[in-house]
Amino acid sequence: QVQLVESGGGLVRPGGSLRLSCAASGFTFSDYYMSWIRQAPGKGLEWLSYISERSTYTNYADSVKGRFTISRDDAKKSVYLQINSLRVEDTAVYYCARGVTSGWPGGAFAMWGQGTVVTVSS
Amino acid sequence: EIVLTQSPATLSLSPGERATLFCGASQSVSSNFLAWYQQKPGLAPRLLIYSASSRATGIPYRFSGSGSGTDFTLTIGRLEPEDFAVYYCQQYGTSPWTFGQGTKVEI
Repeated sequence: QVQLVESGGGLVRPGGSLRLSCAASGFTFSDYYMSWIRQAPGKGLEWLSYISERSTYTNYADSVKGRFTISRDDAKKSVYLQINSLRVEDTAVYYCARGVTSGWPGGAFAMWGQGTVVTVSS
Repeated sequence: EIVLTQSPATLSLSPGERATLFCGASQSVSSNFLAWYQQKPGLAPRLLIYSASSRATGIPYRFSGSGSGTDFTLTIGRLEPEDFAVYYCQQYGTSPWTFGQGTKVEI
């Protein structure tokens, strides 16, 4: 079955950290760019980061640069997002997503996970 | 970064009518790498169109995309009841990739 399944969300205090995971199945994971996108409650979509095949390239939105780190493990068919120094405004549903085609540009997201909820509150 | 501005914010239409949604970019979208998504409450977005005018797998023919450079359009030929949702455009030609703020198509 072709799918992405996120995990690792939860309730965290400001300043805390989380590691989100996204497990892929049903396609050749190593061939694809993978991204993380979030959606704050009642708000629009915000692209956060991508990682290329073989982890050659990574890129981040300015809003998370220096606090978020994306990584992947092709053997485990998983992509991760390490989130540090969490802020209240990081509260959102976090999605992982895969490009419509393998390789570059990888940015039209044809496959999405169900999302994992991150709540930052004291 | 490239700012995408969608208009209108809300589109009030009836089933069977034609919907035209606009997405304007603050600078030219490289290689017309512009996508459109549909999102319903509580669900992940669904890719409709990529590369400005290519329909994604399984997307009905009533959805079409057009445009180039800084001006893009999503057209829904005849609205079906299941088409009432929020629609987002997104550019992925220049990092950071960015989304528009969305257009809500309501009855």
